[in-house]
Amino acid sequence: EVQLVESGGGLVQPGGSLRLSCSASGFTFRRYPMHWVRQAPGEGLEYVGAITTDGRNTYYGDSVKGRFTISRDNSKNTLYLQMTSLRKEDTAIYSCMKEPEYGTSSGFEHWGQGTLVTVSS
Amino acid sequence: IQLTQSPSSLSASVGDRVTITCRASQDISNYLAWYQQKPGKVPKLLIYAASTLQSGVPSRISGSGSGTEFTLTISNLQPEDFATYYCQQLNIYPLTFGGGTKVEIK
Repeated sequence: EVQLVESGGGLVQPGGSLRLSCSASGFTFRRYPMHWVRQAPGEGLEYVGAITTDGRNTYYGDSVKGRFTISRDNSKNTLYLQMTSLRKEDTAIYSCMKEPEYGTSSGFEHWGQGTLVTVSS
Repeated sequence: IQLTQSPSSLSASVGDRVTITCRASQDISNYLAWYQQKPGKVPKLLIYAASTLQSGVPSRISGSGSGTEFTLTISNLQPEDFATYYCQQLNIYPLTFGGGTKVEIK
């Protein structure tokens, strides 16, 4: 069974940094691109970004480009999201997603429960 | 790519048929998925490739469209269908979501 468990969320001041982790199990982690999404309290879903299997290529949403960095450690089955220059509008639940077997065109079936990041002074 | 969902909310009764529209700012072929989300829960994949029903999703839910206009239709609305629905384009990074449509009980 695919399991994705995020951690690392918490309260951080504006301008601060935080690193989130997504621990994966139940599948061969190194074979799948991985993605991050977020959802502000009471708001809709926002795509954060993605990383290829070998970590060489990353893609980001416009609102986080230049501030967030996605990385992975295939030896630890773990995905990361390094967030810097945090703003109040980055307050959200951050969730990781496993890319489907045959690419993104099949939609995302597997999501983690998420970890809450609160940016506030 | 921007995705515009309409309406942003609707009220309907059990047994009704509801239709939600998702418009893309440029041609995305059929690279579109629909999700259902209930409060405090992870989104559930309903449809991918614009019209392919995910395994286990009831057949009263259907999707159609291609290019820039897509629809999600729920026939014979059931109590468990009251939720928020999102479209997502899967064609070009970033893989953007629509703003969501909340389906409420009338």
